Amino acid sequence: EDKVVQSPLSLVVHEGDTVTLNCSYEVTNFRSLLWYKQEKKAPTFLFMLTSSGIEKKSGRLSSILDKKELFSILNITATQTGDSAIYLCAVKSNSGYALNFGKGTSLLVTP
Amino acid sequence: SQTIHQWPATLVQPVGSPLSLECTVEGTSNPNLYWYRQAAGRGLQLLFYSVGIGQISSEVPQNLSASRPQDRQFILSSKKLLLSDSGFYLCAWSPRSYNEKLFFGSGTQLSVL
Repeated sequence: EDKVVQSPLSLVVHEGDTVTLNCSYEVTNFRSLLWYKQEKKAPTFLFMLTSSGIEKKSGRLSSILDKKELFSILNITATQTGDSAIYLCAVKSNSGYALNFGKGTSLLVTP
Repeated sequence: SQTIHQWPATLVQPVGSPLSLECTVEGTSNPNLYWYRQAAGRGLQLLFYSVGIGQISSEVPQNLSASRPQDRQFILSSKKLLLSDSGFYLCAWSPRSYNEKLFFGSGTQLSVL
């Protein structure tokens, strides 16, 4: 059975801190790993990773995948209160139609 | 551009009552459609997905059912709600040929009392 495990489950930091969110997975016939941000309602897409060692970057957010060790990290530098959200990791296999999500990391950035 | 509409945003229903949540997609054809449920503000559980009209796959045995009467319409139903059906329900779509990236609706918060 496919498995996606995120850590930590929750995190509280101060504005300006750097955070690292973790996602490990076990999936048969891996195809891609995705990160989503969920602020209140609809999760919004952040990154999709398919190859090891290639960093994806968008502003203060970046992510990288390690297909050998079966994990990904999401980094947020110089955090802002607007970064407070649940960050969801999901994995897609070649043998299924849908994404398999982890439980998410709840991030709270305090002023 | 593509948009996804999901309604209602909030619903409070008594135990044993029926349920119908609706989701429609605009601006695309032949999308894959999905229903997810999220408990306690995290962890999305796939309930149903559909790759075409009338084609529904269920991931979790439960009290719910789904239907796709039109290409861009996806409906989640129940004949008799249980307390355990409470949760946040999200509809999503993906392109047929590029189905990694999901686009989510704004969700329905269902409380069964």
